[in-house]
Amino acid sequence: NAGVTQTPKFRVLKTGQSMTLLCAQDMNHEYMYWYRQDPGMGLRLIHYSVGEGTTAKGEVPDGYNVSRLKKQNFLLGLESAAPSQTSVYFCASQRGSKNIQYFGAGTRLSVL
Amino acid sequence: GENVEQHPSTLSVQEGDSAVIKCTYSDSASNYFPWYKQELGKRPQLIIDIRSNVGEKKDQRIAVTLNKTAKHFSLHITETQPEDSAVYFCAASRAGGSYIPTFGRGTSLIVHP
Repeated sequence: NAGVTQTPKFRVLKTGQSMTLLCAQDMNHEYMYWYRQDPGMGLRLIHYSVGEGTTAKGEVPDGYNVSRLKKQNFLLGLESAAPSQTSVYFCASQRGSKNIQYFGAGTRLSVL
Repeated sequence: GENVEQHPSTLSVQEGDSAVIKCTYSDSASNYFPWYKQELGKRPQLIIDIRSNVGEKKDQRIAVTLNKTAKHFSLHITETQPEDSAVYFCAASRAGGSYIPTFGRGTSLIVHP
């Protein structure tokens, strides 16, 4: 039972490049989230999903897209990376009727 | 929507002292309040939570108190140890249904040996 797995762990991009971050959970959780964490800003919600095939915008969605084609996977895409997207990205999952969030190990992204 | 304020942003204590972190929330319908601990370079992990039908919950050296009337809740750590050094996040949400938890901005706790 791996819990929540994020890939990759580290990535360096050039401005304008695109990439996809993958989050996979093996706990059969309904809810999945993508956060970014910047110094002094806490955890800011980018997008979230309450079930397979559904997604919604969070607090800071601009410049990101997501997809939840399978219940266990939640993908975060950057179509044209910008230096302002340099951050640590965390994925989390949560059972619908419970409220504990389980976080992945994070992806450290640098955009040059 | 919900707004969660967390204070202080940084807390420095001596080993063995107590530490208190406070959060206030705005949505009176919120009824679930978890606390997460994030060690340096690691993922946030739940350490304790409380639901609105209780006023206090303890787990060894940590406790959480909730004042629904004043809409604030606090994390108390007694007999602090260097391994308690971390960033602590509070959150508020509604249990059940479709909801999104709102996090505080975090408190960096430093425990000096």
